[in-house]
Amino acid sequence: QVRLVQSGAEVMKPESSVKVSCKASGGVFSSFSISWVRQAPGQGLEWLGGIITMVGTTKYAQKFQDRITITKDAPTSTVYLELGSLTSDDTAVYYCAKSGGFSNSFKFDQWGQGTLVTVSS
Amino acid sequence: SYELTQPPSVSVSPGQTASITCSGDKLGEKYVCWYQQKPGQSPVLLIYQDNKRPSGIPERFSGSNSGNTATLTISGTQVMDEADYYCQTWDISPLVVFGGGTKLTVL
Repeated sequence: QVRLVQSGAEVMKPESSVKVSCKASGGVFSSFSISWVRQAPGQGLEWLGGIITMVGTTKYAQKFQDRITITKDAPTSTVYLELGSLTSDDTAVYYCAKSGGFSNSFKFDQWGQGTLVTVSS
Repeated sequence: SYELTQPPSVSVSPGQTASITCSGDKLGEKYVCWYQQKPGQSPVLLIYQDNKRPSGIPERFSGSNSGNTATLTISGTQVMDEADYYCQTWDISPLVVFGGGTKLTVL
């Protein structure tokens, strides 16, 4: 079974950028896709975007289009989320989640432990 | 953009059946997944493709989807089922849509 392990908590200044990692183990890295989902304190789940690890194709939610970058490093089986122009509204737990792809029949069947990103001056 | 609507809260007595709904335009034409999230934990997949259970998920969890509404049903609800539940589907923009979540209270 694939296991996703994320990097540790971050405290960031407004207007800065944060980079969070998600390392996969126990599976074939190129056989699945990784999404990033965040959860603000006391709020629900929100999808930011994802990457098809086999080809590196990225899909972003329009809301974050101008300040999000998702990349992969195949040799280390790691996916990265970089989010820029941070504001206090970006304070949230960020999860990576694995799926087989990005279409109707797929599911998020494995999640990372979450990374708390706090944006504060 | 596509939206999914869930009731903020549902209450149920132990041993009874809980139903959590998720509404969206022509939702029955899409596949729906359901996730359970307990405080301080990551979400866990409960149901996928409307009514399929991953291995390890108890049979008391079931799902259905028709028309504009998907439903998660928990039969013989246990105290350990107290959690937040989220529905999720796929659309064009955004690609992945989550419902707002439903807090299930078992009392």
